Amino acid sequence: NAGVTQTPKFRILKIGQSMTLQCTQDMNHNYMYWYRQDPGMGLKLIYYSVGAGITDKGEVPNGYNVSRSTTEDFPLRLELAAPSQTSVYFCASSFSPVWGGTEAFFGQGTRLTVV
Amino acid sequence: GNSVTQMEGPVTLSEEAFLTINCTYTATGYPSLFWYVQYPGEGLQLLLKATKADDKGSNKGFEATYRKETTSFHLEKGSVQVSDSAVYFCAVQGGSEKLVFGKGTKLTVNP
Repeated sequence: NAGVTQTPKFRILKIGQSMTLQCTQDMNHNYMYWYRQDPGMGLKLIYYSVGAGITDKGEVPNGYNVSRSTTEDFPLRLELAAPSQTSVYFCASSFSPVWGGTEAFFGQGTRLTVV
Repeated sequence: GNSVTQMEGPVTLSEEAFLTINCTYTATGYPSLFWYVQYPGEGLQLLLKATKADDKGSNKGFEATYRKETTSFHLEKGSVQVSDSAVYFCAVQGGSEKLVFGKGTKLTVNP
């Protein structure tokens, strides 16, 4: 079972460059999420989606964009990379909202460094 | 808003030792509480959860009891194994707020 797959696993960007972090899930989950984890900190919610065509901001959305054209895919876009976006990014999905007590399934993470 | 304070790591134990990782929370209403675990090279996965006061979540020998009077959800295991080496995250969800995670505690178990 693939579960939640994120690509790439590692990436180094220069300031001002753009990139897309890919996330796909094969569990037919409606809910998908992007989190970031800074060193020594907990996970912060960037964006989430409750279904195809519907997205909403989380706690720290500035500098990011998302889209959800299909149930399976939820890419995260960084338009103008900044050093403050150096972090580990996790994509997750769930059958119903995690804030209702439902288990979330996470990808392995993308380690991004902006220099 | 909701918050989680989790025991600072790293924690290093010998195999068969007793494990406690402390977690306290602040949240509105009647929150749900979770422990997630991240094994090396993998994504986070749910270890256990509790959705009301005095509930005990358990899985893979780990336990945590939802203590509303002390706003705590400490993770315990009676005898750890090398395979338990991982990062453990406490998380809380309460009211209309999204899931909030602690900073994570890295556990290393030596043979």
